[in-house]
Amino acid sequence: SQQGEEDPQALSIQEGENATMNCSYKTSINNLQWYRQNSGRGLVHLILIRSNEREKHSGRLRVTLDTSKKSSSLLITASRAADTASYFCATVPSGSRLTFGEGTQLTVNP
Amino acid sequence: SQTIHQWPATLVQPVGSPLSLECTVEGTSNPNLYWYRQAAGRGLQLLFYSVGIGQISSEVPQNLSASRPQDRQFILSSKKLLLSDSGFYLCAWSVGFPGEAFFGQGTRLTVV
Repeated sequence: SQQGEEDPQALSIQEGENATMNCSYKTSINNLQWYRQNSGRGLVHLILIRSNEREKHSGRLRVTLDTSKKSSSLLITASRAADTASYFCATVPSGSRLTFGEGTQLTVNP
Repeated sequence: SQTIHQWPATLVQPVGSPLSLECTVEGTSNPNLYWYRQAAGRGLQLLFYSVGIGQISSEVPQNLSASRPQDRQFILSSKKLLLSDSGFYLCAWSVGFPGEAFFGQGTRLTVV
């Protein structure tokens, strides 16, 4: 079964708007990671947040982590058409099992 | 710098035929290695992972097997493919706990 679940499944916005995606997980974690996948390609790592961190920034990306609610959010500010992709959260529920959620398909319209 | 090679990019195989997908990593030692399968529009299903040579953990009972004959080589195999084995297969590596994972470009397998 999947450890992480992203919400929403699909999101369509206009260029310049902000996009927020959420991830919920089931077991305790050491870190939570966000990845991006362009259609038909491999995944690319975006950002990693550790369990003792609450917020992290990288360029236009902002990630928050609430371990009490077992949830994380990814915010992309000032979105661009090139941000169109699927976004996945990933956790390690045990050992080295890096597991992914079902993803959020983001479409940014020019 | 580290790189990951996964091939072939696409593969069409008949039902009942064998399968061998290979993944190699360069520029790092003792990586964690992963095989995932992705159905169209879905998330990644973890198939196998390995923390060292000869150490393979299987996540889903199925028609596939994995081997790690060398530190930076991970092979996904099947003796007889099923239609349900079609999908997008991704190899990945990471180091440490794991931290950041690096993915290959994937193999699109179609079983006909």
